[in-house]
Formats: sequence, structure tokens, C-alpha cells
Amino acid sequence: KAGVTQTPRYLIKTRGQQVTLSCSPISGHRSVSWYQQTPGQGLQFLFEYFSETQRNKGNFPGRFSGRQFSNSRSEMNVSTLELGDSALYLCASSGLAGMYEQFFGPGTRLTVL
Amino acid sequence: GESVGLHLPTLSVQEGDNSIINCAYSNSASDYFIWYKQESGKGPQFIIDIRSNMDKRQGQRVTVLLNKTVKHLSLQIAATQPGDSAVYFCAENPGSGTYKYIFGTGTRLKVLA
Repeated sequence: KAGVTQTPRYLIKTRGQQVTLSCSPISGHRSVSWYQQTPGQGLQFLFEYFSETQRNKGNFPGRFSGRQFSNSRSEMNVSTLELGDSALYLCASSGLAGMYEQFFGPGTRLTVL
Repeated sequence: GESVGLHLPTLSVQEGDNSIINCAYSNSASDYFIWYKQESGKGPQFIIDIRSNMDKRQGQRVTVLLNKTVKHLSLQIAATQPGDSAVYFCAENPGSGTYKYIFGTGTRLKVLA
């Protein structure tokens, strides 16, 4: 069974631009969560989508948004990029009924110049 | 964001010895925990999990211990190998049937040949 995939793997943007990252969960999983990982703050929860609905949200500004499609694939968008948005963005997949296991993709390394 | 994530503690262990990595979790209502291993440039890899109704769970070369009284988790790795060198994170699920995990700061494990 294929794991969680994320595209692109690496991205370089400049301040003020926007970016869209994509995540395809494990087949059959309906929940997709997004995390930001930085050396200074560690792994921080951004939001979780389940069946196309945002179910949980972390403490990030409104510039960070996401969505989930009917096939469970998810995208996250960051608008008006700031230097501090440089990070590894991780997507995690969960969702077999009654199971809380969460599996991560390889991440997208975003660099904002 | 809501997490911690400052200086990363390091554990150095001789190859072949046992490793014990500790984690203090924050929420007494958390009912499910995961240990992850993250190698450089990769996403976190699921190692082992444990539910709050258990004190101990064993996997292949790994054992997780849970002490709910003091809100403490530990990961024991038997016969540590060079391939075990990585950063290890614990993650807690605060319950409520969601996937909004809270991650510890992580511990870097260095295996000495």
C-alpha cells in the first residue's frame, strides 16, 4: 500500500507570494492533518480535514488555509509569505475507523527569500 | 503556534547497548500516544503506539512504557544499531476522537560505533 505523498518536495518563494502544497493520503484514509516543523518551534499542528471538512485548527494566522477534496487529497495554501514561514510542512494521514494511528509524508521544504 | 521546541536534548549510546528515551506529556486526558522516528530530510516515521489503558507495549526491539500518574512516556530500544540514529518524538492525542496531536520537543539519538 502506497504511503502518504506530498508535492512538491522543495519550494523556493519570495516574500509576499503565495504557495499551494499538495498531499495525497494513504488509500482509504479520510483524515489529513498538516503540521509545520521548524528548528525553533518544533512540530506544530496547523489543521485537520476529515471528509472535506475542517475539523480542527491550530493557532496559525488566517494566511494559512487548506481544503480537502472528495478523494481525500488535501491542499494547503499560504498567502502573503513571510520569511518566518520557511519550514518543513508535513502532511499526516489517518482514518481507519476507531484507529488513531497517524502516518506522515516526507514533507515539503519551503524556503521564503 | 502552541508547541515547545527549543534546544534538542541528545542521547549518545554505544552500538549494542539499550537506549531509553523519555517524554513528559502535557494533558492528563490524553488517551493515545505515538512514538515517531525522524531521520534527516524525512518525515516522521511511526514506530509504536500505546493507549492510555495500557502500561506497556512491545514491538520489534522497542518497548513503550506509560506512567499516567506522572504523565511520562518512555521508549526503550534494545541492542541499539547505527540505523537507529535519528530524532525521536512522542505525540499525544488529547482525545475527543480527533487527530490533533501534540508533539514533544524530540530527542536526538546518536549511536556510537
